[in-house]
Amino acid sequence: QKEVEQNSGPLSVPEGAIASLNCTYSDRGSQSFFWYRQYSGKSPELIMSIYSNGDKEDGRFTAQLNKASQYVSLLIRDSQPSDSATYLCAVTRSNYKLTFGKGTLLTVNP
Amino acid sequence: GAGVSQTPSNKVTEKGKYVELRCDPISGHTALYWYRQSLGQGPEFLIYFQGTGAADDSGLPNDRFFAVRPEGSVSTLKIQRTERGDSAVYLCASSDMGGYGYTFGSGTRLTVV
Repeated sequence: QKEVEQNSGPLSVPEGAIASLNCTYSDRGSQSFFWYRQYSGKSPELIMSIYSNGDKEDGRFTAQLNKASQYVSLLIRDSQPSDSATYLCAVTRSNYKLTFGKGTLLTVNP
Repeated sequence: GAGVSQTPSNKVTEKGKYVELRCDPISGHTALYWYRQSLGQGPEFLIYFQGTGAADDSGLPNDRFFAVRPEGSVSTLKIQRTERGDSAVYLCASSDMGGYGYTFGSGTRLTVV
């Protein structure tokens, strides 16, 4: 079992829709969870972090964490073509050593 | 500088050669990290520095890889006897002591031919 699993996609949504990105992890000791956005040919950019069960909202982004189910998700409301990118889920139990998933490619169609 | 700076941005080298990749972190950040990202994969942890010392080098794949940070700022990742499988984007990140959330540099794309 891979440590962090994401559906590789591509996930295609129309402009203005909600994009839902999912991630599961195997290490029950994981304490911190992150979502990174990576445009093609660019480096990852941190967009959300979440540390406790529940929802965390930041603008159009909402991160959701369920430690019992070992599940993290990212919702993007009112999706824009500029949101088209690969979204990487990362988890850590140590606060410094991140384990990344392979990423989900999101395409937002105008 | 304002962000994490990595040089060179691209490096092409022949199999068996030695390469050095440089990372200049955000000023004041004590923690520095190296990751490697192969095509279609997420970044993979290589090594973590806190100050001058390597606090965790468990991700270095073998003894051909070595990294230093002699003055607690700039770091150099060194790869000896490069192999074609070393081809990847090498990412550097830094953070303050809290460690939560990284700022990555733009990476060095290493191609071994």
